[in-house]
Amino acid sequence: GQNIDQPTEMTATEGAIVQINCTYQTSGFNGLFWYQQHAGEAPTFLSYNVLDGLEEKGRFSSFLSRSKGYSYLLLKELQMKDSASYLCALGNTGFQKLVFGTGTRLLVSP
Amino acid sequence: ETGVTQTPRHLVMGMTNKKSLKCEQHLGHNAMYWYKQSAKKPLELMFVYSLEERVENNSVPSRFSPECPNSSHLFLHLHTLQPEDSALYLCASSPGPPGNTIYFGEGSWLTVV
Repeated sequence: GQNIDQPTEMTATEGAIVQINCTYQTSGFNGLFWYQQHAGEAPTFLSYNVLDGLEEKGRFSSFLSRSKGYSYLLLKELQMKDSASYLCALGNTGFQKLVFGTGTRLLVSP
Repeated sequence: ETGVTQTPRHLVMGMTNKKSLKCEQHLGHNAMYWYKQSAKKPLELMFVYSLEERVENNSVPSRFSPECPNSSHLFLHLHTLQPEDSALYLCASSPGPPGNTIYFGEGSWLTVV
């Protein structure tokens, strides 16, 4: 099985940097995804890590360490619109059968 | 607007009703999915279709019946549901092979009364 753990909720201030962690226990996966989900909306793709290391995309970066069973999403220069849930998911072989964590709700305050 | 559209966006149904959720993807993808999102629980995979063939049924009760008439359309037929089935049902699609991203629709909010 695959257990995926994320903090339930985090708060941060506009303009700051926040790191959202994701830890997992699994026998295997092909990659790790991060999705953003605003309340009442569809999850939208943010990043995908296959290899260990950091993937940077503008204000968002994602890191993966397979040996440590750990990933994080780093959000820089926070904006109010970044208030959302952030979902960590493991991608399995075959037709991308994602297994999701419960998500981290991020609240950005002025 | 996403490339995956779902209708209806909101549905209230009684436990004896029969209803269907519809999903259409405009992305030319080969695989389509149904996920269930309940409050305070992770997104759960329900079904996977690849080129109109069901390749995954994740131990879903038979009161949920999927149908994929072609690679662009996916239905979820609902019959004699229970109140605990109330949730957000998300359709998604992907190009197919491993490593490709899944794109979600905006979901159908289902309330069973």
